[in-house]
Amino acid sequence: KAGVTQTPRYLIKTRGQQVTLSCSPISGHRSVSWYQQTPGQGLQFLFEYFSETQRNKGNFPGRFSGRQFSNSRSEMNVSTLELGDSALYLCASSPGTEPRETQYFGPGTRLLVL
Amino acid sequence: GDSVTQMEGPVTLSEEAFLTINCTYTATGYPSLFWYVQYPGEGLQLLLKATKADDKGSNKGFEATYRKETTSFHLEKGSVQVSDSAVYFCALSRAAGNKLTFGGGTRVLVKP
Repeated sequence: KAGVTQTPRYLIKTRGQQVTLSCSPISGHRSVSWYQQTPGQGLQFLFEYFSETQRNKGNFPGRFSGRQFSNSRSEMNVSTLELGDSALYLCASSPGTEPRETQYFGPGTRLLVL
Repeated sequence: GDSVTQMEGPVTLSEEAFLTINCTYTATGYPSLFWYVQYPGEGLQLLLKATKADDKGSNKGFEATYRKETTSFHLEKGSVQVSDSAVYFCALSRAAGNKLTFGGGTRVLVKP
């Protein structure tokens, strides 16, 4: 099976712009989660989608949003970018939502905000 | 809330040395516990997991045992290789819904 894919892999934006990141989960996986990784804050949970519904949300401002499509692909959007949004954004997929299930991570999208 | 604490790095070892990375957690109920590894420029890969108390997860020579009494999930490997150089993350998942709570990560550098 193909792994989790994320596009684009690298992105440079300027403050105030918005950005959309894409994630394609492993075939058959219905849950997609997003995480932000920064040197200062480490790995932080953004949100999780299952069957096109947001089931869980982390402690991020409303500028961060996401959605999931009927084919389980997911996008996350960050509006009005700030310098502090520079990070590696990781997407993970799993078959369902049981805590014991393994989440499989993509390679990430590295976002640099200038 | 849930939290995971792991030893800070970097941990520098010689090849064939014994590796231990401590991980303790705070969570109500019975979380599932995971170790993920991140190689430079890559995403996270699951190394091993344990879903109930006293379970031992193992993979590629790495082991960790879920200790409910000490709320710990320490990672060990008996003989490390240069290729084990990476950042290791301890994580837990508790309630329904796929929210992983991560520790801060431990960088391991293995020298030949």
